[in-house]
Amino acid sequence: TQLLEQSPQFLSIQEGENLTVYCNSSSVFSSLQWYRQEPGEGPVLLVTVVTGGEVKKLKRLTFQFGDARKDSSLHITAAQPGDTGLYLCAGASREYGQNFVFGPGTRLSVLP
Amino acid sequence: DAGITQSPRHKVTETGTPVTLRCHQTENHRYMYWYRQDPGHGLRLIHYSYGVKDTDKGEVSDGYSVSRSKTEDFLLTLESATSSQTSVYFCAISETGDLFSGANVLTFGAGSRLTVL
Repeated sequence: TQLLEQSPQFLSIQEGENLTVYCNSSSVFSSLQWYRQEPGEGPVLLVTVVTGGEVKKLKRLTFQFGDARKDSSLHITAAQPGDTGLYLCAGASREYGQNFVFGPGTRLSVLP
Repeated sequence: DAGITQSPRHKVTETGTPVTLRCHQTENHRYMYWYRQDPGHGLRLIHYSYGVKDTDKGEVSDGYSVSRSKTEDFLLTLESATSSQTSVYFCAISETGDLFSGANVLTFGAGSRLTVL
């Protein structure tokens, strides 16, 4: 059983389209992080959110933490081929100790 | 990879043989982690270290042991490899162990792909 679910699992879109991916849990998290991973490389941190309802923007990427701190979304505006990759969310909760719980990821492909 | 080196990057071995993966950092970070990544499971924590000779188990520690004799090196050992341990293994480091305030930043290595036949 996944503690963090991500949807969709796969997403293929054309350059210039907008998209949203989701990260959901039944658990409450103290902090939540989003990473992007490219083939053959390790994940790279994009953002950390800690406050319920928090919205953070990173250029064309908008991250939101749910009010109840159980879910998060990542919205990409005008996607570019360089956005292609595996997007992972990871949550920290005292329930899970010294362990970030990772979701299975959303694999995004942006076609030129 | 921001001062993290994993070796070997690729390894093929046979069931029952011992395997050691090495993680080396040049950042002098206190915390080091070993994760495995499998399709459909995301990253799962195997073991972590919060200082020299200080280690603790993670979510999927059975069949794995670790050692940290120096700040910069964190070794992951499979005493007798099994096919279920075929995976991509990632080492990560962080300066702080504070997961809850948002101060913790995990920096990952490039991964070690292990195939157990």
